Amino acid sequence: AQSVTQLGSHVSVSEGALVLLRCNYSSSVPPYLFWYVQYPNQGLQLLLKYTTGATLVKGINGFEAEFKKSETSFHLTKPSAHMSDAAEYFCAAFQGGSEKLVFGKGTKLTVNP
Amino acid sequence: DVKVTQSSRYLVKRTGEKVFLECVQDMDHENMFWYRQDPGLGLRLIYFSYDVKMKEKGDIPEGYSVSREKKERFSLILESASTNQTSMYLCASRPLRAGGYNEQFFGPGTRLTVL
Repeated sequence: AQSVTQLGSHVSVSEGALVLLRCNYSSSVPPYLFWYVQYPNQGLQLLLKYTTGATLVKGINGFEAEFKKSETSFHLTKPSAHMSDAAEYFCAAFQGGSEKLVFGKGTKLTVNP
Repeated sequence: DVKVTQSSRYLVKRTGEKVFLECVQDMDHENMFWYRQDPGLGLRLIYFSYDVKMKEKGDIPEGYSVSREKKERFSLILESASTNQTSMYLCASRPLRAGGYNEQFFGPGTRLTVL
């Protein structure tokens, strides 16, 4: 069964600093991977997704993620954090043949002025 | 834009009450989902439906039931609400397109408090 692990339930960065949110998945079959963002008291919004093709995926709001099969990772990065990036981020994996998305437990990002 | 709406943003109910949470999507999506979200536990799937009148149990179906009489509407029912069902409930929908694994679109959530 697919599982998704997000390292760090809380990450704190300074405004302008690099954002790195980690996600590892478990599977021998390349999955379909997603990053979602949730702002306070809102639903989840898609940031980016990897299905096939280019392993570096660009998303909205300046975020990108790189699929690394050898490391079973799909870490999310942004070169320069903005105050508006403060939110909770969820990594999810969607394995072929299943109708279910499996979510990580989430990482809450705090951006300090 | 795809829109998924949920009937209430905030709801307060008493223990033992029957509770209905409604979700409507306007993009003719085949698949619909109900999750609950709790701090430190992420999103957990309660039920999903891949067609009208079809439903499948998710990871935590106990204490819940669902109904999908029309394609655009998916209801979550708490037959007898309990305090441990206090949570944020998120509805999502997803199209079924051959050859692709598609993103899910989420509603804004219903924060349910059971007293």
